[in-house]
Formats: sequence, structure tokens, C-alpha cells
Amino acid sequence: QVQLQESGPGLVKPSETLSLTCTVSGGSVSSDTYYWSWIRQPPGKGLEWIGYIYYSGSSGSTNYNPSLKSRVTISVDTSKNQFSLKLSSVTAADTAVFYCARAVSGRRVWYFDLWGRGTLVTVSS
Amino acid sequence: QTVVTQEPSFSVSPGGTVTLTCGLSSGSVSTSYYPSWYQQTPGQAPRTLIYSTNTRSSGVPDRFSGSILGNKAALTITGAQADDESDYYCVLYMGSGISVFGGGTKVTVL
Repeated sequence: QVQLQESGPGLVKPSETLSLTCTVSGGSVSSDTYYWSWIRQPPGKGLEWIGYIYYSGSSGSTNYNPSLKSRVTISVDTSKNQFSLKLSSVTAADTAVFYCARAVSGRRVWYFDLWGRGTLVTVSS
Repeated sequence: QTVVTQEPSFSVSPGGTVTLTCGLSSGSVSTSYYPSWYQQTPGQAPRTLIYSTNTRSSGVPDRFSGSILGNKAALTITGAQADDESDYYCVLYMGSGISVFGGGTKVTVL
């Protein structure tokens, strides 16, 4: 059974870059069936889609939330079966629980079918 | 910017029926947006309930159903149980790989 697990620092200073990794176990991040995604949730607030990476063959393509696009980079490391999130120039408003998730795309299908447990990242000096 | 709208909260009696909706700030929701629904309890990751408007995810009880009602996507809970008390989020696919979450609906069972 495929599982996702987020990891990374729980505390980041303002103006620095937040970096998180999602490890995929029981499956392959190289699968061309899935879109490997990041989603965040500020404390007490709703969910926000950050972006995804789709890996097929030897290259990946990305897509990002337009409101975050200038600060976000999502990449994949097939040798470690991981994908990663970098969010630059963070402020307190970026404090959130970050989830990695798997999106399924197909004929008339698009949804998140698998979620990590989430990891809280606090932006504070 | 497209905003996906949901009711902030709903209350339902045990055994009762509640319908949550998912709309657009501009325009109508159709099956082409591939509406999906997620349930989240405090401190937990979301759980997938419904995708492609009305397909239940594996293991989801049949008291949860999805549909299009008028110009919105809808999630109906029939025969609500105490453990249905959660936040519910819809997601609409906007095309070009863009997903947008609704603001969520808090459902109270009492």
C-alpha cells in the first residue's frame, strides 16, 4: 500500500526558504499515472493547493497556484523516491500544516486520492 | 480570480439529511470541473469521499453521495452519524492543471 510522509524543519525564519520533502513508499514517484502535489492549511483555516509535479520518462513538468507561483518550486528525486517543495521569502502568513498528496488524472477524473499526515511549519524569528 | 464557495457551517440531527454545496463566484459548476469532496476531522489529514462528481472513494459509506444541483456541486449525507461531524472541502478542477479548494463547511451533528 502506497504511503506518503512529509519531512522537514518545523521552524523557518522570515524571509528564508521553506523546504519540505515527501517520501513515497510502496509505490514509485516515477509513475506517469499520478501528479505529486503539495497542499497547505494555515492554522484554523482551509486548504490551499500549492502545486504539483508530474514525472514521466526522464523529465518532470510542474504547475503551481498562480498566487504562489513566483515563490514555489516543486522537484522530484527519483533515486530517493521523493518529491520536494521549496517556498521562498516566507512570512508569518506562510505558517501552515503542509500536506503532500497524490492526484489522479484520467478521462473525466481529477482528484487527490492519497494524503500524507501533514507537517506543521511555523515561520518565526 | 476564481473563488469556490461553500457554506461556512451546517447543523444536522443524528439520522437526518444534509446537503452541502460547492459553487463558483462566477459561473456554474458542471461535471467538467470534476468536483471532488474531502472530509477532515481536527488534527487529521483530509480523507477522500467523492470524486468525479458522484463516485465514492473506496471504503466510503453509501450515506455519502455527490451530485450536481442546479449550478453547484453537492454532497449529501443521508442518515447522519455522530462521526460525520467534520469539516468538508470541495475541490474543482479549473483546467490546465489548476485545482481550487472551497473554503470548507463545518458540519455539526446534534
